[in-house]
Amino acid sequence: GAVVSQHPSWVICKSGTSVKIECRSLDFQATTMFWYRQFPKQSLMLMATSNEGSKATYEQGVEKDKFLINHASLTLSTLTVTSAHPEDSSFYICSAPLAGIFNEQFFGPGTRLTVL
Amino acid sequence: QQQVKQSPQSLIVQKGGISIINCAYENTAFDYFPWYQQFPGKGPALLIAIRPDVSEKKEGRFTISFNKSAKQFSLHIMDSQPGDSATYFCAAKLGGTSYGKLTFGQGTILTVHP
Repeated sequence: GAVVSQHPSWVICKSGTSVKIECRSLDFQATTMFWYRQFPKQSLMLMATSNEGSKATYEQGVEKDKFLINHASLTLSTLTVTSAHPEDSSFYICSAPLAGIFNEQFFGPGTRLTVL
Repeated sequence: QQQVKQSPQSLIVQKGGISIINCAYENTAFDYFPWYQQFPGKGPALLIAIRPDVSEKKEGRFTISFNKSAKQFSLHIMDSQPGDSATYFCAAKLGGTSYGKLTFGQGTILTVHP
């Protein structure tokens, strides 16, 4: 299957700082990537759709100025959590669809963000 | 109409038993139904998937049963093993230009006792 990587796998930061998370499709190109947030023992909540060469599409209730998304190339999307606060602490996961009949999605390993 | 409802929330099975997880949906525009397995601290991994024109798909110990008229689908894990202990998510993808955007079920925490 296709491989999606994320970096870093975990990060601890102070309140008020910004944190950047990278998502890369290693062996395929992805014009679209998805960013999810997951709280403990809960399902994945789609935050936004990252589009290469254009603006991201945010889900209702997600602050676009808080969660900046940049899809710099066909293999890289970044999520920047700006002015992070403790309530932003969560598990962030990206995914990328492999182009095909059903655009099968492959997920990254996730990034654990802890804001102190 | 976008929801996918998953049950049970948690499931305990003895080693060698059959684990069954059920999902139901409303939107008939969904055209692809994958199941994901997630271990703690890891991203979800695609386990098996089915199209709505197929009633059953089997891969090893994992089988999806799909009932299009009832708008339900289920995951069966045969000969369940302790290593299968994980959280399982069903999902559904909208057809058309949704680029693979998925709607997830609530998840089922499976525990397989040795």
